[in-house]
Amino acid sequence: KAGVTQTPRYLIKTRGQQVTLSCSPISGHRSVSWYQQTPGQGLQFLFEYFSETQRNKGNFPGRFSGRQFSNSRSEMNVSTLELGDSALYLCASSLAGGAYEKLFFGSGTQLSVL
Amino acid sequence: QKEVEQNSGPLSVPEGAIASLNCTYSDRGSQSFFWYRQYSGKSPELIMSIYSNGDKEDGRFTAQLNKASQYVSLLIRDSQPSDSATYLCAVNRGAAGNKLTFGGGTRVLVKP
Repeated sequence: KAGVTQTPRYLIKTRGQQVTLSCSPISGHRSVSWYQQTPGQGLQFLFEYFSETQRNKGNFPGRFSGRQFSNSRSEMNVSTLELGDSALYLCASSLAGGAYEKLFFGSGTQLSVL
Repeated sequence: QKEVEQNSGPLSVPEGAIASLNCTYSDRGSQSFFWYRQYSGKSPELIMSIYSNGDKEDGRFTAQLNKASQYVSLLIRDSQPSDSATYLCAVNRGAAGNKLTFGGGTRVLVKP
């Protein structure tokens, strides 16, 4: 069974640009969450999607957005990139997103903003 | 006060010894608790989940939960050099959906 797949693995962008990251969950998983990991702030929750609807949202500015497609694949977008957006962006999936479900992470996308 | 707190370490243990990791959380409504292991440059990997008070054992790992004290711990028995990693405590506060709050992680170094 394939795991969570994230593309691309690495990205280099400049300030002001926008970026789109992609995530394909484990087959059968309908909940997709996104996390940002930085050395200073650790792992922080961005948002969660289920059945194409955003169900939870973390404390990030509106420049961070996402969406989920009918096949459960998800994308996240960051507009007007700032240097502080440099981070590892992790996607995670679970069956339906319940409180007791296990969350499985992809390999992440390492974003560098210059 | 951070929502989920862990000692950042490093926690240095000799090979074969027991590594003991601690995690405290602030929200009494938290319902589920997870331990993830993250190797340098890799993504987090789930190693244990625990939902009710008491101990849960899986191989060399034992998770302990005390909701009254708002405390979760992880014991790694017979520690191996391959256990050297950062261990992340994560808490789901039980709202609809899947939203984990992570601690900052404890770095564990197992010395041969």
